[in-house]
Amino acid sequence: DTAVSQTPKYLVTQMGNDKSIKCEQNLGHDTMYWYKQDSKKFLKIMFSYNNKELIINETVPNRFSPKSPDKAHLNLHINSLELGDSAVYFCASSSPRRPTSGNYNEQFFGPGTRLTVL
Amino acid sequence: DAKTTQPTSMDCAEGRAANLPCNHSTISGNEYVYWYRQIHSQGPQYIIHGLKNNETNEMASLIITEDRKSSTLILPHATLRDTAVYYCIVRANFGNEKLTFGTGTRLTIIP
Repeated sequence: DTAVSQTPKYLVTQMGNDKSIKCEQNLGHDTMYWYKQDSKKFLKIMFSYNNKELIINETVPNRFSPKSPDKAHLNLHINSLELGDSAVYFCASSSPRRPTSGNYNEQFFGPGTRLTVL
Repeated sequence: DAKTTQPTSMDCAEGRAANLPCNHSTISGNEYVYWYRQIHSQGPQYIIHGLKNNETNEMASLIITEDRKSSTLILPHATLRDTAVYYCIVRANFGNEKLTFGTGTRLTIIP
């Protein structure tokens, strides 16, 4: 099935650890995003990549480092995890050009990764 | 991106039309109105978008006032699966634009 997938779905870890979340899309989109949804359910953009190039960085601490090995993948690495990093992280993708499926500029979201820092 | 205002919550009886309002009085000429929803424990899902004309697709209808300062999302025959948080977002339709989510409207469909 065409989709945006994320791994892992759940991640429980200790403060101070380093962890990664992976995202893959097989929609042929050029642009990928990371959003964070905190405990109060506010959903905020963190990063955006277009063709492996960073285009949006919304004042996220530099402990967070996105990496895009190719335009189908956007991984999120987090160093020195803190309690406040606990949240659900959503990956999304879109196409700035008219896509073969979906609407122009429609963002497709993954199922989310629930990160719990103890 | 223009700010939007939505009611915090709404209820609707199953099978009836759900009408979700959104105010966006500071919308500028090149900004579109987008609607997304988030069903519990899932990622947001695109519903519909429009510039100034009313739009309809298989999920919903979008009615935008002539002055474009407000809009209404209509789910014509709400089902229990439509229970979700609905977000009205205003943004330019350029490529790679981020989505700025507000607090949305929590819609509960009642059996």
